Amino acid sequence: GAGVSQTPSNKVTEKGKYVELRCDPISGHTALYWYRQSLGQGPEFLIYFQGTGAADDSGLPNDRFFAVRPEGSVSTLKIQRTERGDSAVYLCASSLSSTGANTGELFFGEGSRLTVL
Amino acid sequence: AQSVTQLGSHVSVSEGALVLLRCNYSSSVPPYLFWYVQYPNQGLQLLLKYTSAATLVKGINGFEAEFKKSETSFHLTKPSAHMSDAAEYFCAVSVGGAQKLVFGQGTRLTINP
Repeated sequence: GAGVSQTPSNKVTEKGKYVELRCDPISGHTALYWYRQSLGQGPEFLIYFQGTGAADDSGLPNDRFFAVRPEGSVSTLKIQRTERGDSAVYLCASSLSSTGANTGELFFGEGSRLTVL
Repeated sequence: AQSVTQLGSHVSVSEGALVLLRCNYSSSVPPYLFWYVQYPNQGLQLLLKYTSAATLVKGINGFEAEFKKSETSFHLTKPSAHMSDAAEYFCAVSVGGAQKLVFGQGTRLTINP
């Protein structure tokens, strides 16, 4: 597709359940990012990948959160034992590269809204 | 650690009036600075960025921002507001070319006819 695609757009789950959120970046973009946006707040960095490897995962809040990008394209954010405080919009972004002239030039998807009851 | 403060969570201006959205940053080293915009039901998109070249940066849709080191500011302006400018605007900072953008809380811009 032309832009960053995220699925599902909405996910409602119960406390304690496992959730997977998927991101399909723009074709040819080597860098991929996950952010989380709570109501009334700006996006908060979670993790970014350069290729298949996680280059910086310092924003993951705890070990319930995990993300993979096995083939250097599609990424999945995995949340175990969900809690009500995990409710937020999870944003994915991609960029041509993580260095040089493209620094900070991220293309965002529309997000996956997660609600934990 | 670097941070960003956006003054005013809501700004309302009349169509044709000046738009001024304020952003102050905190960084111990020269930062890269960005403004992103989020239109309703759309993903964030880059408006403009500062990377230590010219201090006055021009972006899309007639917006511009000026980097003022002495004031640690990067305010966003547009001379004449249009109804289509109604959106949420986010200022962001990164340091040393890092990809970890730190965003402000956002400012919702409303345009009155």
